[in-house]
Amino acid sequence: DGGITQSPKYLFRKEGQNVTLSCEQNLNHDAMYWYRQDPGQGLRLIYYSQIVNDFQKGDIAEGYSVSREKKESFPLTVTSAQKNPTAFYLCASSMISGGIYNEQFFGPGTRLTVL
Amino acid sequence: KNQVEQSPQSLIILEGKNCTLQCNYTVSPFSNLRWYKQDTGRGPVSLTIMTFSENTKSNGRYTATLDADTKQSSLHITASQLSDSASYICVVSALAGKSTFGDGTTLTVKP
Repeated sequence: DGGITQSPKYLFRKEGQNVTLSCEQNLNHDAMYWYRQDPGQGLRLIYYSQIVNDFQKGDIAEGYSVSREKKESFPLTVTSAQKNPTAFYLCASSMISGGIYNEQFFGPGTRLTVL
Repeated sequence: KNQVEQSPQSLIILEGKNCTLQCNYTVSPFSNLRWYKQDTGRGPVSLTIMTFSENTKSNGRYTATLDADTKQSSLHITASQLSDSASYICVVSALAGKSTFGDGTTLTVKP
């Protein structure tokens, strides 16, 4: 089946620890994205990547880091510098044609809770 | 500043009734507008996508409209079902590629 997978579905972390969220896609999409969603709020863009080995900060990148070593993988690390990391994290991917980003397809999400 | 505003913030309707959700945007230059459905604890799933030249698009009981002149869109749900209970998110993309997300409308369908 084609799609986007995120793991784990639930993640618990102690304060001061870094944690990495996995995102994999087999849709052959060029662009990948990470969003954060808090209760009752819209999605906020953390980082995005248009091509392997390149990525850009979104609106709330502080305290997060990413890598894009392979086209199909875009892991997100939540560092101890992120002051309020408890949230629902969504990964998405899309094609880019003619310089235009197409429809984004979302993974099932990872719920991170800091204890 | 690009913005997407959705209304109402939440809505409760009885099963079988129709409802309409609104989306107003100031994104420019406009590329496309998408409506997503997000079940609790799940990732959003696309319902419709419309470009500048399209003013209506249907997906089963979901019908989206777009007025590019007034920069407004609506999502109409016909004969609601309990499974329609979800958050509905309007997303508007600019020609440069950046997408702006609305905060969503939470719909609850009661039996």
